[in-house]
Amino acid sequence: AQSVAQPEDQVNVAEGNPLTVKCTYSVSGNPYLFWYVQYPNRGLQFLLKYITGDNLVKGSYGFEAEFNKSQTSFHLKKPSALVSDSALYFCAVRDNPPARGSTLGRLYFGRGTQLTVWP
Amino acid sequence: GAVVSQHPSRVICKSGTSVKIECRSLDFQATTMFWYRQFPKQSLMLMATSNEGSKATYEQGVEKDKFLINHASLTLSTLTVTSAHPEDSSFYICSARVDRGVYEQYFGPGTRLTVT
Repeated sequence: AQSVAQPEDQVNVAEGNPLTVKCTYSVSGNPYLFWYVQYPNRGLQFLLKYITGDNLVKGSYGFEAEFNKSQTSFHLKKPSALVSDSALYFCAVRDNPPARGSTLGRLYFGRGTQLTVWP
Repeated sequence: GAVVSQHPSRVICKSGTSVKIECRSLDFQATTMFWYRQFPKQSLMLMATSNEGSKATYEQGVEKDKFLINHASLTLSTLTVTSAHPEDSSFYICSARVDRGVYEQYFGPGTRLTVT
């Protein structure tokens, strides 16, 4: 069964410092991995994804994530945090592309990590 | 980029009434749409998956007679909360998927439902 773990409910960093939001996953086949960000009372915004290829994936707003197959991890990182990065971050996993129109290939979300960047 | 809209963005209704939430894919056709529910500071809970022209598939524990889903076209899905009660108050998010290639999934901005 597919699952995602975000071990930290909350991550606090000072502005300008690097940040890491952790994610580990379990999937039966090759993983498709995603990071989303959610601001208060808003839907999810896509940050980045790993499908195949380079283990280091670059995404929106200066975020990047490193896929580590041996550790089954996909941690989100940013070299220098901004106060405006404060939000709720979700890691999600999906297995191989689904059959057309099927419920397979649904996203499995972690419970979310609240990132707070202090000025 | 692909845009998913939801209407209304927030709604307040009285207990016992029904509320309809619309989800539209504005610039692409979505064979599959998903409806999620989110409680404060919690993750998204998948309620149901809908495919255009067929009945929705509900997750275990979700009452299909209470949460009616209609996927009438490739750009529109609706969620109707029937006979709403205060415990139905929540943030509802829809998502639309392009069923080709990477099967990218796009999320709407959410609808805040408050039942008084």
